[in-house]
Amino acid sequence: EAGVVQSPRYKIIEKKQPVAFWCNPISGHNTLYWYLQNLGQGPELLIRYENEEAVDDSQLPKDRFSAERLKGVDSTLKIQPAELGDSAVYLCASSRGGRVTEAFFGQGTRLTVV
Amino acid sequence: AQTVTQSQPEMSVQEAETVTLSCTYDTSESDYYLFWYKQPPSRQMILVIRQEAYKQQNATENRFSVNFQKAAKSFSLKISDSQLGDAAMYFCARGNQGGKLIFGQGTELSVKP
Repeated sequence: EAGVVQSPRYKIIEKKQPVAFWCNPISGHNTLYWYLQNLGQGPELLIRYENEEAVDDSQLPKDRFSAERLKGVDSTLKIQPAELGDSAVYLCASSRGGRVTEAFFGQGTRLTVV
Repeated sequence: AQTVTQSQPEMSVQEAETVTLSCTYDTSESDYYLFWYKQPPSRQMILVIRQEAYKQQNATENRFSVNFQKAAKSFSLKISDSQLGDAAMYFCARGNQGGKLIFGQGTELSVKP
């Protein structure tokens, strides 16, 4: 079974530029998460999808961040415009959903904004 | 607040020895899940062990076991016969039936040869 795939693994951009991250979850997993992980800290949830529906986006800074999960499979997270403080690791995870919340993670994208 | 707290930013253990990582959490729910994840420098979060709150028996996975104290809202991880490959960041996490997963701040474990 293939794991969660994220791309790119690394991204360096100048501030005020847009950036997008892509995630392909494990086949059959209905729930998809995007997490933000700052250096030395635990992941913090940005948004959670159940199939195509964003069921928890309360922590997503909607003035500059957006996400979509078309057809309930792949997902894209976008930042526009990026700020210096957005430099972090962006993790995608997926789970089967339902009662069990065991999540499987991708390798993340390390974003550096200069 | 629905929080997860890891009070040990760093821990160190001698190879082949045993180490225990602490975690406490806060929740108003009666049914939930607890997890320990390992994050090596590659950044891949790897599930180490899982505990369902309604089960009184502590989970074990080979050299990894937990001490789950539901009343105290405590969930510690014990690593026996520590190996060099165990060195990593370890995160405690709480999940609920709604699918929300909340992480602690992490404990960096180093293993000395």
